[in-house]
Amino acid sequence: KAGVTQTPRYLIKTRGQQVTLSCSPISGHRSVSWYQQTPGQGLQFLFEYFSETQRNKGNFPGRFSGRQFSNSRSEMNVSTLELGDSALYLCASSDNSPLHFGNGTRLTVT
Amino acid sequence: GQQLNQSPQSMFIQEGEDVSMNCTSSSIFNTWLWYKQDPGEGPVLLIALYKAGELTSNGRLTAQFGITRKDSFLNISASIPSDVGIYFCAGQLGSGGGADGLTFGKGTHLIIQP
Repeated sequence: KAGVTQTPRYLIKTRGQQVTLSCSPISGHRSVSWYQQTPGQGLQFLFEYFSETQRNKGNFPGRFSGRQFSNSRSEMNVSTLELGDSALYLCASSDNSPLHFGNGTRLTVT
Repeated sequence: GQQLNQSPQSMFIQEGEDVSMNCTSSSIFNTWLWYKQDPGEGPVLLIALYKAGELTSNGRLTAQFGITRKDSFLNISASIPSDVGIYFCAGQLGSGGGADGLTFGKGTHLIIQP
């Protein structure tokens, strides 16, 4: 089985721009979660989707949004980027099991 | 929300030494998970624990679910260079998987000197 796939691996954006990150879960996994990882804050939960519905949400501003498609693939969007949004964004999928993580998208905001 | 205290924050050890790290919480969890993250990659699940007092091994790794349900320990025996990385504990209120009620520790950086 292929693992969780995230694209792109690296991204450089300018303050004020928006960005969309993509995640393909493990085949058969219906739950997709997103995390932001920074050296200072560790792994912080953004949101979780299950069967195209957001079922959990972390404490991030409304600039961070996501969605899930009928094939369980998910995207997250960050609008009006700030310097502090520079981080590794991790996607994880699950099927009533512990999270399986992708290798992340490294976002740098300049 | 839930908070996990993971210690130590970093460890500098010699190859061949045993390693111990732990996580403690002020709240009870029903599932404890241990992940390892290599540079440039996502975290990979090492061990999952679902029962208080449970002791589970995965090769040279052994993890325990504390009796009080508020702590967990990970031991690595006879460390080797590929053990280098960041180890994360995670506690979960339920046992159904996913991200619901899942809290991560800040990680233990393991550095091995040959």
